[in-house]
Amino acid sequence: GAGVSQSPSNKVTEKGKDVELRCDPISGHTALYWYRQSLGQGLEFLIYFQGNSAPDKSGLPSDRFSAERTGGSVSTLTIQRTQQEDSAVYLCASSLSGGVNEKLFFGSGTQLSVL
Amino acid sequence: GDSVTQMEGPVTLSEEAFLTINCTYTATGYPSLFWYVQYPGEGLQLLLKATKADDKGSNKGFEATYRKETTSFHLEKGSVQVSDSAVYFCALSDTGNQFYFGTGTSLTVIP
Repeated sequence: GAGVSQSPSNKVTEKGKDVELRCDPISGHTALYWYRQSLGQGLEFLIYFQGNSAPDKSGLPSDRFSAERTGGSVSTLTIQRTQQEDSAVYLCASSLSGGVNEKLFFGSGTQLSVL
Repeated sequence: GDSVTQMEGPVTLSEEAFLTINCTYTATGYPSLFWYVQYPGEGLQLLLKATKADDKGSNKGFEATYRKETTSFHLEKGSVQVSDSAVYFCALSDTGNQFYFGTGTSLTVIP
């Protein structure tokens, strides 16, 4: 694909349900990031994957949040027992090798609404 | 820890006006600095960057200079167009593991 693809683009769920958000990075990009964008807030870092290294999970807000990246490509962000405060846009980005000067390529995001 | 503070919005300007969006940062190391832009209905995309002190990033008529002495990276454009209406995010990275973003500044340019 030409860019970073996220699905679904919109997700409405009920409080207490689990949700899975998917990210397909640009082919060949080894670094993958998840961010959360809440209304009026900046982008909040969630998790970073780089190749086969252990992910940097330091931004995950609670143990209800988890993410995996299979085969160094597709990533899934899972939120268990969703709460209303989880409502936000979840953004995925990738870069070629995770270098400090590298350009991030963002997907269009998943708008999550927890009722 | 590292952080970015940028000018609160929204900003509304007439076409051809001068634009400044302020951004200051806090970092423990020697970060790279970025401006990302989000046009309506689109994902964030890199606008410009600077990787060391006194560097100037530029793109599409926008400029920003990395000022270490004032820890700033203000975005400027001499003459804005309606097509520049978007949300602008200042960001920094000093490890590559994380990019720290500001809260975003919404710009609306009216004809």
